[in-house]
Amino acid sequence: EGQLVESGGGLVQPGGSLRLSCAASGFIFSSFELNWVRQAPGKGLEWISYIGGTDNTIYYADSVKGRFTISRDNAKNSLYLQMNSLRAEDTAVYYCARQITMIIMARVGHAFDIWGQGTMVTVSS
Amino acid sequence: DIVLTQSPGTLSLSPGERATLSCRASQSVSSSSLAWYQQRPGQAPRLLIYGASSRATGIPDRFSGSGSGTDFTLTISGLEPEDFAVYYCQQYGRSQWAFGQGTKVEIK
Repeated sequence: EGQLVESGGGLVQPGGSLRLSCAASGFIFSSFELNWVRQAPGKGLEWISYIGGTDNTIYYADSVKGRFTISRDNAKNSLYLQMNSLRAEDTAVYYCARQITMIIMARVGHAFDIWGQGTMVTVSS
Repeated sequence: DIVLTQSPGTLSLSPGERATLSCRASQSVSSSSLAWYQQRPGQAPRLLIYGASSRATGIPDRFSGSGSGTDFTLTISGLEPEDFAVYYCQQYGRSQWAFGQGTKVEIK
């Protein structure tokens, strides 16, 4: 069915950098769009970035634009999130999520059908 | 940007009861990209409903979704112990994905 496993989280000082990875297995990686979603402690879900399957279309939430960079390596079945200029408010569990696209009543629909277990990023001095 | 507002914030119910969760969008949205997720404590979110009313693979039929335009509903017809969790709605629009703030379904 497919699995995603995140890694790379940890403790980093404000202003520092961190690179998250998401390893995929059990599906044709290049055929799927992927996203990063985060969840601050005790808070709700926040979408932060999207990348297309082969065309590398990329979107970011305003909260991370200019600081975070999403990328993928289809040969390695891996998704990445380079996070620079980290702030305390970036403290969260970071999830990678596979996006499915379907046609529903002649309209294109999307949802996130597979999620990783998450990796914790703590930004603190 | 589309804002999704979920209500109530917390729903206190007993096992076997019916749960009705609301998700209201700040503007009319496409039903095809309205999804619902369940998140149990310490776990990743799980897709329940996509396209506003289609159940994802393996989701029991006590979960149902409905709605269109700005108002969407997730109904759990008879709560099982494992259904006590937080539920989020999600919408795609203009190269952004938005989540509602969540509804916690707790045991009364």
